[in-house]
Amino acid sequence: EDKVVQSPLSLVVHEGDTVTLNCSYEVTNFRSLLWYKQEKKAPTFLFMLTSSGIEKKSGRLSSILDKKELFSILNITATQTGDSAVYLCAVVGAQGAQKLVFGQGTRLTINP
Amino acid sequence: KAGVTQTPRYLIKTRGQQVTLSCSPISGHRSVSWYQQTPGQGLQFLFEYFSETQRNKGNFPGRFSGRQFSNSRSEMNVSTLELGDSALYLCASRQGQSGNTIYFGEGSWLTVV
Repeated sequence: EDKVVQSPLSLVVHEGDTVTLNCSYEVTNFRSLLWYKQEKKAPTFLFMLTSSGIEKKSGRLSSILDKKELFSILNITATQTGDSAVYLCAVVGAQGAQKLVFGQGTRLTINP
Repeated sequence: KAGVTQTPRYLIKTRGQQVTLSCSPISGHRSVSWYQQTPGQGLQFLFEYFSETQRNKGNFPGRFSGRQFSNSRSEMNVSTLELGDSALYLCASRQGQSGNTIYFGEGSWLTVV
């Protein structure tokens, strides 16, 4: 059965710190890995990764995928209080299409 | 371009009742899927529709059903509601069958009392 594990489950840092969120996965016929940010509403898309070793970047956020070691990391530099959210990692596997298998999420809290 | 729209946003039902939730995907998106989010289980896949056909189904009992219409709008139905069905139900849409980003709606908060 496809499985996604995120760590840490919870993280509290000060504004300005850099954080790294981890996502490891076991999935049959991996197709893609996605990162979402969820505040008190719908998950908001951040990145989709399909190729190993290629960093995706958007402002202070970046992510990279290692298909050999079956993990991905999400980095946030110079954190701001608005970055406080649950960050979700999901993978698409053999059953493909829209079946996302989600991790438990990492709850990130940025203190001023 | 409007996002994924879900209605109703909030509802309260009694055990044993049934509920229908609606989802309008982003214009031009033909693929719709549904997820249940609870504090204990996280986000779990319910089912997926493309061109009015169910393509994939998660591990949920038969009380959970869905359908998709020719305009790509989708509904999901839960019959004989149980307390454990209280959750945020999220709809997501994608342009094609694979390879595109998946976008979520705001969700429908269902409380069963």
